[in-house]
Amino acid sequence: AQSVTQLDSQVPVFEEAPVELRCNYSSSVSVYLFWYVQYPNQGLQLLLKYLSGSTLVKGINGFEAEFNKSQTSFHLRKPSVHISDTAEYFCAVRPINTGTASKLTFGTGTRLQVTL
Amino acid sequence: NAGVTQTPKFQVLKTGQSMTLQCAQDMNHNSMYWYRQDPGMGLRLIYYSASEGTTDKGEVPNGYNVSRLNKREFSLRLESAAPSQTSVYFCASSSLGQKNIQYFGAGTRLSVL
Repeated sequence: AQSVTQLDSQVPVFEEAPVELRCNYSSSVSVYLFWYVQYPNQGLQLLLKYLSGSTLVKGINGFEAEFNKSQTSFHLRKPSVHISDTAEYFCAVRPINTGTASKLTFGTGTRLQVTL
Repeated sequence: NAGVTQTPKFQVLKTGQSMTLQCAQDMNHNSMYWYRQDPGMGLRLIYYSASEGTTDKGEVPNGYNVSRLNKREFSLRLESAAPSQTSVYFCASSSLGQKNIQYFGAGTRLSVL
């Protein structure tokens, strides 16, 4: 089984400041990793993913994340946030080689609140 | 391109009532999923359908049933709603393959009184 921990339930930040949203996972097998964003009253949208290759992955809206296998982490970063980045962010994992269905295990989410 | 469409968007039920949440996707995806989202708990998988004609339980299946009507549609039924089923329900779909990405609908907000 897998588990995902997002230690920060809320992260307040001023506009144009950098931000890091933390994600740690636990799994006995290798996993794919994802970050999803949920804007108010909307569904989840894929922000970025790590499947293989370079451990630094870039996503939409200027976000990036780095996969650290030894620390089992996949932290999300943005060098300068905008008001429009206010949303809830979910980290998720999926074990490799589990057949056709892409069953995801989600963290509890981090609410990013950007203010002027 | 509509993607994943969920109906209704909002619903209020009384305890003991039944209802069906509808989900349809137009991306020709093989796999479909139902999640519930509760404050402080993230998304939890209720049921999924890896391909047309198959359904399997997820993490929290009790109190729910599903039907994979055809490749496009995957419905979630609450036979006798309980207040503990008050939640936001999301449907998602994905194509076959290990690197497949899930695409989500906008959600159904359900309140059970």
